[in-house]
Amino acid sequence: SSELTQDPAVSVALGQTVRITCQGDSLRSYYASWYQQKPGQAPVLVIYGKNNRPSGIPDRFSGSSSGNTASLTITGAQAEDEADYYCNSRDSSGNHPVFGGGTKLTVL
Amino acid sequence: QVQLVQSGSELKKPGASVKVSCKASGYTFTSYAMNWVRQAPGQGLEWMGWINTNTGNPTYAQGFTGRFVFSLDTSVSTAYLQISSLKAEDTAVYYCARDVFDSSGYHNWFDPWGQGTLVTVSS
Repeated sequence: SSELTQDPAVSVALGQTVRITCQGDSLRSYYASWYQQKPGQAPVLVIYGKNNRPSGIPDRFSGSSSGNTASLTITGAQAEDEADYYCNSRDSSGNHPVFGGGTKLTVL
Repeated sequence: QVQLVQSGSELKKPGASVKVSCKASGYTFTSYAMNWVRQAPGQGLEWMGWINTNTGNPTYAQGFTGRFVFSLDTSVSTAYLQISSLKAEDTAVYYCARDVFDSSGYHNWFDPWGQGTLVTVSS
């Protein structure tokens, strides 16, 4: 099992707000980064650092962190946001990256 | 623009070897480490390790020692993943991803990713 824990599946009504969480001890020391992966495509970075979006990522995506939990929030979810979302940070030793198990987001 | 382009899909028999390439463009290749990530069918992302593109020194995650080798050809800005003695359970999509650190050198993320290379191992 991963050292970063994510809910396997989350759903949200179109236009509503959804929070996807990632839990792990290393998140007390390291920021999480978040990746969106649509079927048959490579992962795409959507949030990095404290709360930064790469160029081209809509501002409805935001990140936050508290204690051992990092969160990715989508404010006003769109149909095109339906995807798998993965968090990434360090393992418990802090030496190596590790991914969460992923969260499948369904937009209803 | 910064881009990673990987080699095409491979179909191999058990016991064979495969070499996947990842060609970088749009940035100084030796300024950023390169990671390799595996995604088995229907599964999540699994970090395999990384290679220091300055020194060529590889670091392998647990479970990816022995049959997996990371290498470079800096003259053509390309990283390679070679897998030997292939097994059916090596069937997966393999991604390369550039390692980016913030100004503190403490926090990092992967951006961009290659498009992925499907390696299928079947008799």
